[in-house]
Amino acid sequence: DTGVSQDPRHKITKRGQNVTFRCDPISEHNRLYWYRQTLGQGPEFLTYFQNEAQLEKSRLLSDRFSAERPKGSFSTLEIQRTEQGDSAMYLCASSPEGNSPLHFGNGTRLTVT
Amino acid sequence: DAKTTQPPSMDCAEGRAANLPCNHSTISGNEYVYWYRQIHSQGPQYIIHGLKNNETNEMASLIITEDRKSSTLILPHATLRDTAVYYCIGNPRGGTSYGKLTFGQGTILTVHP
Repeated sequence: DTGVSQDPRHKITKRGQNVTFRCDPISEHNRLYWYRQTLGQGPEFLTYFQNEAQLEKSRLLSDRFSAERPKGSFSTLEIQRTEQGDSAMYLCASSPEGNSPLHFGNGTRLTVT
Repeated sequence: DAKTTQPPSMDCAEGRAANLPCNHSTISGNEYVYWYRQIHSQGPQYIIHGLKNNETNEMASLIITEDRKSSTLILPHATLRDTAVYYCIGNPRGGTSYGKLTFGQGTILTVHP
């Protein structure tokens, strides 16, 4: 068990650019979650996958955001036409079936200049 | 999900017990009480969870009142590495809502030498 891995750890981009983040969950965890955390706040739920199916999306996830989990393993989160308000820590978590705790990665910190 | 209320900050001397309270008066019968913590620059880390009974693991103890309206997380011998933000969260059992955690702002625990 190597834990949830996120790449990159840090990303600086200019407003208007597209960015993509990757999350590798713990193997055999079929649930995968994306959260966003801004400075001084707790993480906020963005979206959730069960295997390759995206089952729920928060209203925080605007049309500029898209998440995929094509083979039910790793996931990507893409933000198009970034805005300064997108600056945040993007956290990925995974869990197995049932009432199991979420295992979080250490996040990707995005700074939009 | 239940709304939880926690004190914004607490201090504790190293080696002493840290008792972190949480009010969750609106918790429903099918919601677990989960505790996570977040050390600076890391993702949230699961600590413990419970439904009705008190629970203990290698990290902490969780005391839930009989009416389930509040709980206390106990770190029996706090160390400097326990300095973190502690989140108390209601999490429904099973279903698609499981894992959509509402973090709130948590309690900043500072452990002093």
